[in-house]
Amino acid sequence: AQSVAQPEDQVNVAEGNPLTVKCTYSVSGNPYLFWYVQYPNRGLQFLLKYITGDNLVKGSYGFEAEFNKSQTSFHLKKPSALVSDSALYFCAVRDRFSGGYNKLIFGAGTRLAVHP
Amino acid sequence: NAGVTQTPKFQVLKTGQSMTLQCAQDMNHEYMSWYRQDPGMGLRLIHYSVGAGITDQGEVPNGYNVSRSTTEDFPLRLLSAAPSQTSVYFCASSYYDSKETQYFGPGTRLLVL
Repeated sequence: AQSVAQPEDQVNVAEGNPLTVKCTYSVSGNPYLFWYVQYPNRGLQFLLKYITGDNLVKGSYGFEAEFNKSQTSFHLKKPSALVSDSALYFCAVRDRFSGGYNKLIFGAGTRLAVHP
Repeated sequence: NAGVTQTPKFQVLKTGQSMTLQCAQDMNHEYMSWYRQDPGMGLRLIHYSVGAGITDQGEVPNGYNVSRSTTEDFPLRLLSAAPSQTSVYFCASSYYDSKETQYFGPGTRLLVL
């Protein structure tokens, strides 16, 4: 079965420093990987996705993610963190469900706290 | 476009009561789904629909019913609420193409006493 793991419940980083939010995956076949962000009292917002092609994927708000097949990882990164980046981040992998529906399997989430 | 809308934003129920969570999208998406979000567990799929008139169960369907009479609407019904259904519920929609992203509503926070 497809799965993703986010090993850190929380990541703390100072404003202006680079940030990394980790994600590892377990899939059969080629993975379709996603990152979503959830701000307080809001729904999830799409950040970026990896389907195929370049291992470095660029997304919204200056975020990027690096797909590493040998390490089965898809870490989210940003060169310089902002306080406004503080939120809950979810890694997800697409799984083919019954009837052809392609559901997302989410990790447990990592809370990012950026301190001034 | 309003995107994906959900009502109500917050609801308190007593055990045994029933209610319907509303979800609508104006993007003409074929796929719609309901997730519940619980601390430390990410989002889990409750029910989904691949088009009007077609619904199916997700990972945690017990205690919930859905219907899809139109492309736009996908209501979630709790027939007899239980405290274990206290959660935040998100509706999502996407195009048929499996590579497309899902668009999420703002969520409904449900408390069952």
